[in-house]
Amino acid sequence: GESVGLHLPTLSVQEGDNSIINCAYSNSASDYFIWYKQESGKGPQFIIDIRSNMDKRQGQRVTVLLNKTVKHLSLQIAATQPGDSAVYFCAEKGTDDYKLSFGAGTTVTVRA
Amino acid sequence: EPEVTQTPSHQVTQMGQEVILRCVPISNHLYFYWYRQILGQKVEFLVSFYNNEISEKSEIFDDQFSVERPDGSNFTLKIRSTKLEDSAMYFCASSDEGLDRGEQYFGPGTRLTVT
Repeated sequence: GESVGLHLPTLSVQEGDNSIINCAYSNSASDYFIWYKQESGKGPQFIIDIRSNMDKRQGQRVTVLLNKTVKHLSLQIAATQPGDSAVYFCAEKGTDDYKLSFGAGTTVTVRA
Repeated sequence: EPEVTQTPSHQVTQMGQEVILRCVPISNHLYFYWYRQILGQKVEFLVSFYNNEISEKSEIFDDQFSVERPDGSNFTLKIRSTKLEDSAMYFCASSDEGLDRGEQYFGPGTRLTVT
């Protein structure tokens, strides 16, 4: 299953399908963005990052898309697996910032 | 694989007491951070630390909070007089380079419960 458009707090996906998780950011000066995965009882785990001079970056089974015009970030997970079940957060960093600002998370549940 | 460690995993304290949360960042990392996450909410930045001084802090990080790197391996967060609203998961993170040049590694967190 896919979810496009506005940010949704939960996403239920059939195993093997592709997932799309969305994030809207607020700071037009943000120049660096990261997606994190957080499993229950653990700290955030880095998935993939992208700088503001790019609009797409691919990793292993994941792709991040950045649309600066509408300040939107998305994470695509190909062939979603049960181990992908977690909360996913986007984070942004502004120019000259030494901090990350996290968005509200999306809980992804993978159905077998 | 190197990892950030945090102790204790769970700390229960009474309101008004001082707590120290401990972190051991990855050994060759130079940038250190504390974040917190109130149950069910998003992760919030508290403070960043580089070259033995605070680089940036949020409005949450008031005079009740302090950080220290007492030796070459530990990075601590102290809350002088805890309040009920300080109850949260506290995550330490470290990176070998600045935020947009190095991946930030998070520890497993310390759950602080203030009663």
